[in-house]
Amino acid sequence: NAGVTQTPKFRVLKTGQSMTLLCAQDMNHEYMYWYRQDPGMGLRLIHYSVGEGTTAKGEVPDGYNVSRLKKQNFLLGLESAAPSQTSVYFCASSIGGQPQHFGDGTRLSIL
Amino acid sequence: DQQVKQNSPSLSVQEGRISILNCDYTNSMFDYFLWYKKYPAEGPTFLISISSIKDKNEDGRFTVFLNKSAKHLSLHIVPSQPGDSAVYFCAARSGGSNYKLTFGKGTLLTVNP
Repeated sequence: NAGVTQTPKFRVLKTGQSMTLLCAQDMNHEYMYWYRQDPGMGLRLIHYSVGEGTTAKGEVPDGYNVSRLKKQNFLLGLESAAPSQTSVYFCASSIGGQPQHFGDGTRLSIL
Repeated sequence: DQQVKQNSPSLSVQEGRISILNCDYTNSMFDYFLWYKKYPAEGPTFLISISSIKDKNEDGRFTVFLNKSAKHLSLHIVPSQPGDSAVYFCAARSGGSNYKLTFGKGTLLTVNP
């Protein structure tokens, strides 16, 4: 049972490039979340989804887009990467009010 | 404004002693609280939670206490073990159907052998 899998684990981008981070869960969870973690900042919610085909903005959504075309996948896109988006990105999933399960993160550096 | 605060960035304790990690919150709408543990290069893992209708929840060596009037919760680890060394995040959730979490900045716990 893989749980929550994030792809890729590491990536270096140049300013202005675009990329998509993939989150896949095999637990049939309805809810999925994208967070970013910066030094000394804790985890901040970027976007989330309460079910297939739905997305909503979190605390820090600017510069990101998301899609949830399939229940098991939640994609986070950066259309034009900026150095301020250098961070560690975590995806999480849950069944309703149960605790969220996290992936191991994607470390993204933007030069 | 920071709604969940962990004012101690780090804590160091001796193996076998008690570790007490603290968390304060400002939003009175929060009704469910969780503690997550995070090792380097891994994602956070759920540790223990407490509903606002309770003041204590215990799971093995881990106990969480909630003081609603003070808007304060704490995580007690007894006895502390070197494997407990990690960053501990406090998180809170308000009512609603999206189950969003608000996290504190974390406390790095080091348990010395």
